[in-house]
Amino acid sequence: RKEVEQDPGPFNVPEGATVAFNCTYSNSASQSFFWYRQDCRKEPKLLMSVYSSGNEDGRFTAQLNRASQYISLLIRDSKLSDSATYLCVVNSFSGNTPLVFGKGTRLSVIA
Amino acid sequence: NAGVTQTPKFRILKIGQSMTLQCTQDMNHNYMYWYRQDPGMGLKLIYYSVGAGITDKGEVPNGYNVSRSTTEDFPLRLELAAPSQTSVYFCASTLDRDYGYTFGSGTRLTVV
Repeated sequence: RKEVEQDPGPFNVPEGATVAFNCTYSNSASQSFFWYRQDCRKEPKLLMSVYSSGNEDGRFTAQLNRASQYISLLIRDSKLSDSATYLCVVNSFSGNTPLVFGKGTRLSVIA
Repeated sequence: NAGVTQTPKFRILKIGQSMTLQCTQDMNHNYMYWYRQDPGMGLKLIYYSVGAGITDKGEVPNGYNVSRSTTEDFPLRLELAAPSQTSVYFCASTLDRDYGYTFGSGTRLTVV
């Protein structure tokens, strides 16, 4: 099982739609979780951290399910500008080991 | 704050040439990383550093070298460039892994 797995998509949704992405991780001891956004030919940028209780930032909601070892990202009222690749990122191991990045889920919001 | 600065932004190398990709951060971050990203693919970790004087290999270190003589700088050296090293290279840094990473804008390298 890969450390972090995401559905690569693409997800093609109309403007105004609600879309959800899931990401599974293999290490039950993982402590920190993030969603990054990467636009075409640009660097990844931190979208939001994912907290145990779940958290919301405007139209974006992140959830963590430790029992099933997955995190989710919900985007409501999709905008054209939400089109990007969304990367799931997990702090899998203790010490100084780097974060583990998923390969990303591509989203296209269509007018 | 400039954040993480990478130079150059673009470079074309001939097979067998060498070059150094520069990465500088002004946030006093101890942790720094080099990734490569091939078209349509995910990030692959090349090397990382947890502080000045300390470096470690990532997933794909062959063909690359790094050094970390200061907290601010983490250059990536390509020796004897090969077409397989054509990629986009991202440098990243963080104060603590629990805060996530800040990425530079990348260097697009083509080896011909």
